Amino acid sequence: NAGVTQTPKFQVLKTGQSMTLQCAQDMNHNSMYWYRQDPGMGLRLIYYSASEGTTDKGEVPNGYNVSRLNKREFSLRLESAAPSQTSVYFCASSDFAGTPYEQYFGPGTRLTVT
Amino acid sequence: AQKITQTQPGMFVQEKEAVTLDCTYDTSDQSYGLFWYKQPSSGEMIFLIYQGSYDEQNATEGRYSLNFQKARKSANLVISASQLGDSAMYFCAMRGGNTPLVFGKGTRLSVIA
Repeated sequence: NAGVTQTPKFQVLKTGQSMTLQCAQDMNHNSMYWYRQDPGMGLRLIYYSASEGTTDKGEVPNGYNVSRLNKREFSLRLESAAPSQTSVYFCASSDFAGTPYEQYFGPGTRLTVT
Repeated sequence: AQKITQTQPGMFVQEKEAVTLDCTYDTSDQSYGLFWYKQPSSGEMIFLIYQGSYDEQNATEGRYSLNFQKARKSANLVISASQLGDSAMYFCAMRGGNTPLVFGKGTRLSVIA
């Protein structure tokens, strides 16, 4: 049981390049989330998918797009990377988008944009 | 909208002592949940404890307890008998209704031998 997996673990991009961060969960969870973590800022929600077929913006969606490919997979795309997107990205999942369901987190992707 | 405030950027505690990490929250939801996560230097997010807004008893999980004061909108984490392995970032978070978790900025706890 792998839980939530993310690829890649590390990535360096040049300004303007694009890339997709992959996330998959094997817990049959309905809801999935993308957060970014910056020093001193905690985790901020980028996008989430409450259930398969739906996606919603979070607190910091600008510069990102998401795809809920199926129940297991939720990808995050940077179309034209900017240095401000240098961050650690966490994917998470939960049974449902509500209390009391805890969110299970992946190991994170450390992205540097030069 | 929910908001979490953690006012202690860093805390120090002696090994084997107890420590309280502060968390206050703001929400207009009647039903909500409060969570604490630990993030060690390795970077993963580890769930510690949960408190529902309608739970009458304070949540406990081993050495972790959540001091829930609803009227004051506070949900402090108490770690008893601190260990060196408790050194980490600690995040308070909440969710209400069908919303995702909202996190505070975290408190870095350092346990001193």
